[in-house]
Amino acid sequence: DVKVTQSSRYLVKRTGEKVFLECVQDMDHENMFWYRQDPGLGLRLIYFSYDVKMKEKGDIPEGYSVSREKKERFSLILESASTNQTSMYLCASRVGGHQNTGELFFGEGSRLTVL
Amino acid sequence: KNQVEQSPQSLIILEGKNCTLQCNYTVSPFSNLRWYKQDTGRGPVSLTIMTFSENTKSNGRYTATLDADTKQSSLHITASQLSDSASYICVVGGGSQGNLIFGKGTKLSVKP
Repeated sequence: DVKVTQSSRYLVKRTGEKVFLECVQDMDHENMFWYRQDPGLGLRLIYFSYDVKMKEKGDIPEGYSVSREKKERFSLILESASTNQTSMYLCASRVGGHQNTGELFFGEGSRLTVL
Repeated sequence: KNQVEQSPQSLIILEGKNCTLQCNYTVSPFSNLRWYKQDTGRGPVSLTIMTFSENTKSNGRYTATLDADTKQSSLHITASQLSDSASYICVVGGGSQGNLIFGKGTKLSVKP
C-alpha cells in the first residue's frame, strides 16, 4: 500500500516559535505538496515540489518555507508561527512530471494550534 | 477564472437513503475530475477519476457522472451507510498549467 506519513498529528506551539512539519512518502513519487485546510475555505496550496531541491510557490506561500533535500521527504517550515497559521496541514504526493494531474495520495494531516 | 463549485455545502440524510452531490467547474482546458472522500480528521482518499470521454464510473455504492458539455459532475451514493459520513471533495485537473483546482467540499452526515 502507498503511504504518506506526516510526523505529527497534533501540535501546539506559541506565537513566534519555529515549526517544522515533516512528510515522508514511500512511493518514489516525484511530486510533493503541502496544503492547509480551513473550514469554509477548502484545501489551499502552500508550496509544491516537482523534484529534489526544487520548490514552487502555491497560492498562499507567505509565512512558510519548504525543504526537499531527499526525494521521499518534504518539510514545511513556519519561521515564526502566528495565530492565523492555526490550521490542518496536509501533505500529498503523486507520480509524474510537470504537467501531470494524477491522483494525489494524502497523509493523515497535522493539526497545528498556535497560541 | 478556473473554479470548482460544489453543492450543497452540507447534507444530512438517514441511513439507507440515496443522495447526490454536485460539482460544477469552469476549468479549461479540462484534463480530469476526481472525487475524494475525507473522513473527519483524516486525509482525503480518491474515490473515482473521470476523463473527458467518460460519462459514468462506479466504485461500489458510489457512482460518478460527468457531462463535459455542461461542465458538471455528480456523485451518487446508494443505500447510504453511517461510514459514508465524510466530506466529499471534487478536484478538477487542467487549466493552462495543468493545475489541480479544488472545490470546497460537501459535508455529508448519515444519521441512524
